Amino acid sequence: DTAVSQTPKYLVTQMGNDKSIKCEQNLGHDTMYWYKQDSKKFLKIMFSYNNKELIINETVPNRFSPKSPDKAHLNLHINSLELGDSAVYFCASSQRQTDYGYTFGSGTRLTVV
Amino acid sequence: SQQGEEDPQALSIQEGENATMNCSYKTSINNLQWYRQNSGRGLVHLILIRSNEREKHSGRLRVTLDTSKKSSSLLITASRAADTASYFCATGHNDMRFGAGTRLTVKP
Repeated sequence: DTAVSQTPKYLVTQMGNDKSIKCEQNLGHDTMYWYKQDSKKFLKIMFSYNNKELIINETVPNRFSPKSPDKAHLNLHINSLELGDSAVYFCASSQRQTDYGYTFGSGTRLTVV
Repeated sequence: SQQGEEDPQALSIQEGENATMNCSYKTSINNLQWYRQNSGRGLVHLILIRSNEREKHSGRLRVTLDTSKKSSSLLITASRAADTASYFCATGHNDMRFGAGTRLTVKP
């Protein structure tokens, strides 16, 4: 039973294309996140949603658009992909007002060629 | 921006030895967390220490927190080859910020 699942695991695409990454959590958490991990392993928060509402939107290009149809899902759509978008994207979830930490998905490795 | 900085960036030890990783952070915190990331995997939550705690244990893990110095350390005792991974400290609640990580290699 995967707690936070992301699809696809690998994504190779050409510059200029539009792609989506899906994330689902079955933990009943009320908050979900997208993180980007670059080649140097730096993890940077991109977005945070609480009960389908956007609460954090870091300085990311507006080519990145998150969508949360319900509190168990948080998808990431990327328009006009660029070479610099190549990274591993992690979805995570947590329950607000608790100290149990975040649960991460296994990541989506995006390669833009 | 990154919140924490781990030190060292890389650490290589023999199985059975202890491994100590340090983390410094910049702003005031409610808690600090440590995560492990195995190669090609997502991060796994290891332990959380609250700002009013100075030390916490979980199995072979020992975490300390010094809020006056804005620093924390993670000690892994009696290390095993399976402990080989990257270790990250993180602060924040709904906007958790991670350090750059320490890459630990435990040689069998």
